[in-house]
Order: sequence, then structure tokens, then C-alpha cells
Amino acid sequence: AQSVTQPDIHITVSEGASLELRCNYSYGATPYLFWYVQSPGQGLQLLLKYFSGDTLVQGIKGFEAEFKRSQSSFNLRKPSVHWSDAAEYFCAVGDPSTGGYNKLIFGAGTRLAVHP
Amino acid sequence: DTEVTQTPKHLVMGMTNKKSLKCEQHMGHRAMYWYKQKAKKPPELMFVYSYEKLSINESVPSRFSPECPNSSLLNLHLHALQPEDSALYLCASSEKTGTGKVGYTFGSGTRLTVV
Repeated sequence: AQSVTQPDIHITVSEGASLELRCNYSYGATPYLFWYVQSPGQGLQLLLKYFSGDTLVQGIKGFEAEFKRSQSSFNLRKPSVHWSDAAEYFCAVGDPSTGGYNKLIFGAGTRLAVHP
Repeated sequence: DTEVTQTPKHLVMGMTNKKSLKCEQHMGHRAMYWYKQKAKKPPELMFVYSYEKLSINESVPSRFSPECPNSSLLNLHLHALQPEDSALYLCASSEKTGTGKVGYTFGSGTRLTVV
């Protein structure tokens, strides 16, 4: 069965510092991978997605992620964090076996705090 | 219009009440979803509708009853809920494709409290 692991429950960085959030997946075939961000009490916003092709994916808000098949990873990065980036970040894998419905399986999430 | 709109934003209901959550999108998406998110947990899929037909029910208790009256609307009818059903209920939509290579658009959710 597919699964997603986000090893870091909570990360704190200083404003302006670089950021990397880790995501590891378990899936037998080519996975569909996503990163979502959730501000407190809000819905989820799609940051970026990977289906195939170029393994470095650019997203919104200056985020990027790199797919590494050999490491089963899809880590999210940002070169310089802003205070407004403080939120919960979810990595997710899509399950294409469900007849074309993209059933998302989410990781447990990483809560990002940003110090001024 | 690139949004999924959920109403109400907050709902407090007693265990004997009947209430409904509403979700609306005008992006032409033909797949719509209900997710449940408990505090400090990831979202968990409840139901999937495709072309207004229920296609996935993740073994959700019958006190939750989904309805998709048309391609833009999705309802979740609630009856005889328990306090442990208190959560953020998220609606999402996506294009229906054969490959599953889509991303969801999520609403802001309804914060439900059962007393």
C-alpha cells in the first residue's frame, strides 16, 4: 500500500534562512506527488505537483521540490523563508489505481515556525 | 472562478440535530470530494463523487450522508453525530481524468463542533 512519511513534525527557521522539508514515499510504480500548505483553520493550497518528466518542479510562492526515485523522496525547498510561510505543510501521493480518481494519501504534516 | 466555496464556516450542533454542509465550485470539475481533518492530523478521505455519482465511500458511518444534486454542488448531511465527529470538514474538486494526474482544489472547510 502507498504511504507517505514526513520525518519532521515541527521545524523552526529564522526569517531569510533556507528551508527543506522532507518527504519519503512508498509506492511501487511512478508516483504522483504533491505538496500542500495549510494555514491555521484554513483549507489546503496546492504548492506544486509532480507526475513525470523534469525531476525539479517549480511551484508557487517561491517553492520548489525535487523528485529522487533512488531515495523515494520528494523534498520541498525554499531559498529564503518569509514570516508568512509559517503554516502546516503536507506531502501527498496520488493513487492512480482508483480508476482515475486521484485519491490522495497525506503524510502526517510538518509544522513550520518562522522566527523574526 | 477558481475557488471551492464551503458553507457554513463554523457549525455547532447537538447530537440529536440534523444539519447539512454545503460545497460549491464553478470550475467545471466533475469530481468532488469530502475529507475529514481532526486537529493536528492530515485530511482523511470520506467520499468521492464523479459525474454526480458516488464512486468511493471510505467506510464512513451512515450518520454522514453525502449528496451531489448537480455538477457544481456537493452536500454532506449530518444526523445523530457524536462528539468525536468534531473536526474540520474539507470539500475539494478536481478534473476527472483517466490518469489521475490532477490536483485538488480545496475549500476553506467547515469547522464542526458536536456538543
